[in-house]
Amino acid sequence: GESVGLHLPTLSVQEGDNSIINCAYSNSASDYFIWYKQESGKGPQFIIDIRSNMDKRQGQRVTVLLNKTVKHLSLQIAATQPGDSAVYFCAENIAPGGSYIPTFGRGTSLIVHP
Amino acid sequence: DGGITQSPKYLFRKEGQNVTLSCEQNLNHDAMYWYRQDPGQGLRLIYYSQIVNDFQKGDIAEGYSVSREKKESFPLTVTSAQKNPTAFYLCASSIDSVRALANYGYTFGSGTRLTVV
Repeated sequence: GESVGLHLPTLSVQEGDNSIINCAYSNSASDYFIWYKQESGKGPQFIIDIRSNMDKRQGQRVTVLLNKTVKHLSLQIAATQPGDSAVYFCAENIAPGGSYIPTFGRGTSLIVHP
Repeated sequence: DGGITQSPKYLFRKEGQNVTLSCEQNLNHDAMYWYRQDPGQGLRLIYYSQIVNDFQKGDIAEGYSVSREKKESFPLTVTSAQKNPTAFYLCASSIDSVRALANYGYTFGSGTRLTVV
């Protein structure tokens, strides 16, 4: 759900459950999307990407779904593990003047309970 | 192994002092970026560079300066004009900015945490 102030949206799950993290993007002209995972005190790491000519892409234990009609992106993590606990960001690529500059969302904090 | 190196990991700045954050990459990437991250916030773009000797302001460039004299290096200076510099700073690079290429993946450094004392 939505949060205000300095608190990130948080998703708490039990180990072994599936997790779904959602992201609304802003620009209908965006044509490339990336999900990143950021552990505390570290830089974001690439998880999976998807282009606007696709509506689903699967990786290892992760699936990204894209709904361009409502400008919505989701990341599904299967069989969530404690090591999946992190902040997850979506990024959309907007191309002013032909250059791709990613714009990042606030992120969702995923907490996995053993 | 190729990657991006940011240094230092922690940096303390006194009021009115300029400090410079280092970012070096050996990925042969053309484009480099600086982002600022505050608690509970997304990444905000400070400056970016698509090619050597060229850079552009991002959304929050005031109080910051950069240079891109070498492809591998994109240092960020936090000047005394930046009134609220305490934050986590992230440098990133990408292979290029040309629409036609398939890979637009971004690689991030491990960050520098700057604190004003």
